[in-house]
Amino acid sequence: QQQVKQSPQSLIVQKGGISIINCAYENTAFDYFPWYQQFPGKGPALLIAIRPDVSEKKEGRFTISFNKSAKQFSLHIMDSQPGDSATYFCAARSGGGADGLTFGKGTHLIIQP
Amino acid sequence: KAGVTQTPRYLIKTRGQQVTLSCSPISGHRSVSWYQQTPGQGLQFLFEYFSETQRNKGNFPGRFSGRQFSNSRSEMNVSTLELGDSALYLCASSLGTVPGTNYGYTFGSGTRLTVV
Repeated sequence: QQQVKQSPQSLIVQKGGISIINCAYENTAFDYFPWYQQFPGKGPALLIAIRPDVSEKKEGRFTISFNKSAKQFSLHIMDSQPGDSATYFCAARSGGGADGLTFGKGTHLIIQP
Repeated sequence: KAGVTQTPRYLIKTRGQQVTLSCSPISGHRSVSWYQQTPGQGLQFLFEYFSETQRNKGNFPGRFSGRQFSNSRSEMNVSTLELGDSALYLCASSLGTVPGTNYGYTFGSGTRLTVV
């Protein structure tokens, strides 16, 4: 099963708050889990990525939490800013890479000033 | 450093026609991958090239094809266009031999194809 399920579909957060987006997967062969940010009219841009041998990775205000046993991972955006308003995609890929990256359906995040 | 360049940005074609989209990767990147993005299906993998060889192909009909040139530039072609082919086609380049895994993709801004 190659599917990656992402939730919520849309999210509204107040400025300064924490934005949390969740993803779940079935394929235990996945070994690379990136998050992408996409603004209207632009291609997705890599935000942060994690491998399943670590449970958390932080880069600035962005943190990935990874739960291998539950086959879930999440993106936390601390101190959310209006400039963070975008669509966020989680993705996964196995080392064999037969199918490229498998993306979640995306979360439309709005940060209200 | 120039990013991934996709041309054209917008394209309108008639059902039954064929179309060729172009992608110039970041200088030095040898891996190029293509994705289709639609509101209903999201981002779906089309194919992946490394050093002129197609390494992987997604679950798309044979009407979708691609190639990579010796300078790493890539083209994708869609023949006998259908209304459902209307989408944003994204190209991504990477340094790594397993793009997206060892090194993150850098996506272009895409080609918006509309089939009427």
